[in-house]
Order: sequence, then C-alpha cells, then structure tokens
Amino acid sequence: DQQVKQNSPSLSVQEGRISILNCDYTNSMFDYFLWYKKYPAEGPTFLISISSIKDKNEDGRFTVFLNKSAKHLSLHIVPSQPGDSAVYFCAAPHSNSGYALNFGKGTSLLVTP
Amino acid sequence: NAGVTQTPKFRVLKTGQSMTLLCAQDMNHEYMYWYRQDPGMGLRLIHYSVGEGTTAKGEVPDGYNVSRLKKQNFLLGLESAAPSQTSVYFCASSYGTGVEKLFFGSGTQLSVL
Repeated sequence: DQQVKQNSPSLSVQEGRISILNCDYTNSMFDYFLWYKKYPAEGPTFLISISSIKDKNEDGRFTVFLNKSAKHLSLHIVPSQPGDSAVYFCAAPHSNSGYALNFGKGTSLLVTP
Repeated sequence: NAGVTQTPKFRVLKTGQSMTLLCAQDMNHEYMYWYRQDPGMGLRLIHYSVGEGTTAKGEVPDGYNVSRLKKQNFLLGLESAAPSQTSVYFCASSYGTGVEKLFFGSGTQLSVL
C-alpha cells in the first residue's frame, strides 16, 4: 500500500520557469517529509525537508510547501535550470519500519533550454 | 571521504544462483538500509538495521537475507536468485532515523536471467 504518492511520472519545464512537483500522503501520522533528487547511475541525494509544524521551508531555489489538511506537499524550483533534470522522490519516515523512509514512485523532471 | 560504497556495481546471475551484495559506510552511522528500485515502483525497503548485530524486515524482504556483523558493513544476500529480483539495489545509511537524512551508495545493477 503506497502511503506516499507521486501521481505525475514526468514533468517538462522550460529553463527559467517554475517547476512544481507534487506529493500526496495517506498516513496522517507522518510528521516529517523529505525530498531526494536522483541522477541516472547515481544514488539519491537529500535535497530538502519539512517538519509538520511548518507549512513552508526554503533553501535557495528550492521551496517545499506542506498542506496538512489536504495531506499534500509540493516542491517548487525557481528558476529551473537544465542541471535540475533528474528524478525527484518524496519520502516520509514510517513507524512500521523503524522510521525508515517510505518513498513515492518519483517524478522525472526535464528542464529544457 | 568515501561515504557509502557498494560492490559490485553490476552483476548478471542465472536463475538459482546465489550472491552477496556488500555495502560499506565510513561515517560511523548506526542505521543502514537496503532498497530496490524498479521502473514505476520507486524505492522499496528490503531490510534495514538499527545497529551492529541487528536486522529487520522492510516492505519487500522475501528472497533476501541480510547480516550486520560489523557496524560499517551491511550485506544483502540472494540465496536462489529469481528473474523478479532483477533490479537496481541501493544501500543507504543514516546517523539516526526519522528526521535524519539518508546517504545512499551509487547502486548495484543486478540482472537475473
């Protein structure tokens, strides 16, 4: 049962525009969320996180928004750059597995020049 | 600083063969994890360890065994490989769980024919 859902497998954005990647979750007990970025032939790397006590966290061009009532979070990248082309995973710690991260299926972002 | 190192990077097995994937981390992390990534499925947790000498099952543990005899190493074994185990395997480690971010290795591409 996928408790972290990324319903858009892919997204294409022009360089300089905003990229918005979405993530929904079903478990209301989740209180911390992380985004990871993955390039081909490499392991995922941590990008940004947010605690449920906040509704926004910003780090440079990356901002994550959390809407607890909708069980929805989104990652905004502004401005998008070609080097941002990668697969982005949303994740949350799951108490049933020692708080190991439960990942969504990922969204492949392509930023075109 | 090597971080998380996985060996081998690539392997081809015949159905029924066995093999062991090795993960080593030099960050003195307590927690280690094995994930598999399949197209359209995201990252799924196979097994994890909360410390030396401990292991626990994740979301998809069947057909795999693990051992954590030394804090820095986490081994993933396939006793009798099946084509369904064709996947990319990622090892990760973290200082703690929940809010602590994971550090991933670069992955092992395994094909079972």
